[in-house]
Amino acid sequence: AQTVTQSQPEMSVQEAETVTLSCTYDTSESDYYLFWYKQPPSRQMILVIRQEAYKQQNATENRFSVNFQKAAKSFSLKISDSQLGDAAMYFCAYRANNDMRFGAGTRLTVKP
Amino acid sequence: SQTIHQWPATLVQPVGSPLSLECTVEGTSNPNLYWYRQAAGRGLQLLFYSVGIGQISSEVPQNLSASRPQDRQFILSSKKLLLSDSGFYLCAWSGHSWSNSPLHFGNGTRLTVT
Repeated sequence: AQTVTQSQPEMSVQEAETVTLSCTYDTSESDYYLFWYKQPPSRQMILVIRQEAYKQQNATENRFSVNFQKAAKSFSLKISDSQLGDAAMYFCAYRANNDMRFGAGTRLTVKP
Repeated sequence: SQTIHQWPATLVQPVGSPLSLECTVEGTSNPNLYWYRQAAGRGLQLLFYSVGIGQISSEVPQNLSASRPQDRQFILSSKKLLLSDSGFYLCAWSGHSWSNSPLHFGNGTRLTVT
């Protein structure tokens, strides 16, 4: 069974600094997709960034970028120039076909 | 554009009472539909997903059931609630058979079983 592991229950970053959130996954599939979601206190799930496993180039969305290491089954999220509004729970997710699995989440605190 | 509606937003039910949570999607056809549960401060647990009308896949044996009576309607039910059913329930949809399609979530239902 596919599993997604986020080993950092909590992280903190100073405003304007950079922080990296870790994610590893286990799968026997060769074709799959990876996502990072943000869940602010409102509990709305917001898609941050996605990565196709067949692409070697790391995805980037403004201040958010990923470091995708397929052989190591690692998919970390880097947030640059952190802002107070980035404070939230962040979930790493894996999808193959109709199956979508989430990690346990990392709570990110941004200090002013 | 596509939208997803989930209701109610908040629900308080006594132990042993029935449950019905409803989710509908607009602006797309034949979506994949999902029900997740999130315990306080925890990750998302996949409960059910559906790839079409009447097609339900159950991930965790439990006190809950799901149905899909129409293409864009997904219902989560229970005949008798348990205290352990308390949590935050999220409905989501995605493009059918498009593995790169992300999940789009509703606003969730906070269920408290007393």
